[in-house]
Amino acid sequence: AQSVAQPEDQVNVAEGNPLTVKCTYSVSGNPYLFWYVQYPNRGLQFLLKYITGDNLVKGSYGFEAEFNKSQTSFHLKKPSALVSDSALYFCAVRVPSSSASKIIFGSGTRLSIRP
Amino acid sequence: GAGVSQTPSNKVTEKGKYVELRCDPISGHTALYWYRQSLGQGPEFLIYFQGTGAADDSGLPNDRFFAVRPEGSVSTLKIQRTERGDSAVYLCASSLRPSGSSTDTQYFGPGTRLTVL
Repeated sequence: AQSVAQPEDQVNVAEGNPLTVKCTYSVSGNPYLFWYVQYPNRGLQFLLKYITGDNLVKGSYGFEAEFNKSQTSFHLKKPSALVSDSALYFCAVRVPSSSASKIIFGSGTRLSIRP
Repeated sequence: GAGVSQTPSNKVTEKGKYVELRCDPISGHTALYWYRQSLGQGPEFLIYFQGTGAADDSGLPNDRFFAVRPEGSVSTLKIQRTERGDSAVYLCASSLRPSGSSTDTQYFGPGTRLTVL
C-alpha cells in the first residue's frame, strides 16, 4: 500500500535561516511526488512535483525538494526562510497506473518562521 | 474564475440532515476529485470523476455519501443522514487530463467546512 510519512508535526526556524521539511514515502513502483502548502482558511496550493529526471526540483516561492530514491525521501527545502512561509505543508504521493487516481497525503507539518 | 471554487464555504447542519456541497472546477479540466480533511490530518481521497462518470469511488466511507457530475463540469457531493463524525473540510480538486499515468497537477479549491451538530 502507498503511504507518506511526515515525521515532524512542527518545524520552527528563524527568519533568514535555511529550512527543511521532511517527507518519506512507501510505494511499489516509481512515484510521482508532490508538495502542497495550506494557509489558514485557504485551500491547498501546489508548490512543486517530482515526476522524473533531475532529482532536485524547483518550485514556487523559492522552495525546492530533493528526490532520493535510495532513502525514499522527498524533503522540502528553502535556503532562506521568510515569516510569510509560515503555514501547513503536505507531502503527497501517487503511483502512475491506469487505475490510480488518488493522491495519498501525509499528515502535514506546521512550519513556523519567527522574525 | 481562474481557480476551483466551492460553495458554501461553511455549512452547519444538524445530525440526521441532508447536505449538498458544490464544486466548480477550473474551466476545461476533465478530471475532478473530492477529498475530506479532518482536523489535524492530511486530505483523504473520496471520489474521482473522469468526465461525467465516477471512475474511482473507493474512498467514499459508506452509502450515505454520493457525488454526481451530470454535465462533466460542476460536481455535487451529497451526504445523507449526516453524523457528527462527518464534520470536516471537504476539498475539491481538478486536473486538466485524466488521472492514471498523467503527470498533471491537481489544483484544489478552498474547501467547504462542514459542521454537524
